[in-house]
Amino acid sequence: DTEVTQTPKHLVMGMTNKKSLKCEQHMGHRAMYWYKQKAKKPPELMFVYSYEKLSINESVPSRFSPECPNSSLLNLHLHALQPEDSALYLCASSQDPGAYTGELFFGEGSRLTVL
Amino acid sequence: AQSVTQLGSHVSVSEGALVLLRCNYSSSVPPYLFWYVQYPNKGLQLLLKYTSAATLVKGINGFEAEFKKSETSFHLTKPSAHMSDAAEYFCAVSAARRGAQKLVFGQGTRLTINP
Repeated sequence: DTEVTQTPKHLVMGMTNKKSLKCEQHMGHRAMYWYKQKAKKPPELMFVYSYEKLSINESVPSRFSPECPNSSLLNLHLHALQPEDSALYLCASSQDPGAYTGELFFGEGSRLTVL
Repeated sequence: AQSVTQLGSHVSVSEGALVLLRCNYSSSVPPYLFWYVQYPNKGLQLLLKYTSAATLVKGINGFEAEFKKSETSFHLTKPSAHMSDAAEYFCAVSAARRGAQKLVFGQGTRLTINP
């Protein structure tokens, strides 16, 4: 099983809503990532969890709140978002957080639209 | 800081023709370099990676890339394009930060295959 599963695939929310994006992997990977991808742009790193601890936060606004309940799950809690936050949110995992040559396995993404 | 530059945001080739996608990198330390492919409405998938072993790297789907230190390049090639190769291609460099892996992506090159 080499899949990273993201739910929901599509999400539409208002600026006052609270919603969550979920990511799951069962490959035993110990690093998990959130990337944000705007249309026709490369993915931009938001957060990295290594061994269930937040190791990188790329100065992401606090309206995005990540959570790693266990080694298989990664959530991104969304609150008071802005229309410019509309994007494809990609989750990824890799086997060893300290292996800089490792492959990242990406999910298909959650496409978020903020009205 | 490490970065990659992809030359050409859009490349168009005929089916059966050579595919050449260009990537140049900047790094103060020996780089780890990757090529990822993204099909429409999908996540990213690793094509190949350079991790300081062989300079000519073979990947999936008939793609290969050559690491040239003197030219700071890591161009992606495929001898004969297939319609299924139409996708967005991202070159990336791996940077170590606080014990975690950070992938820095280039701007991407959209590959179109003409019948």
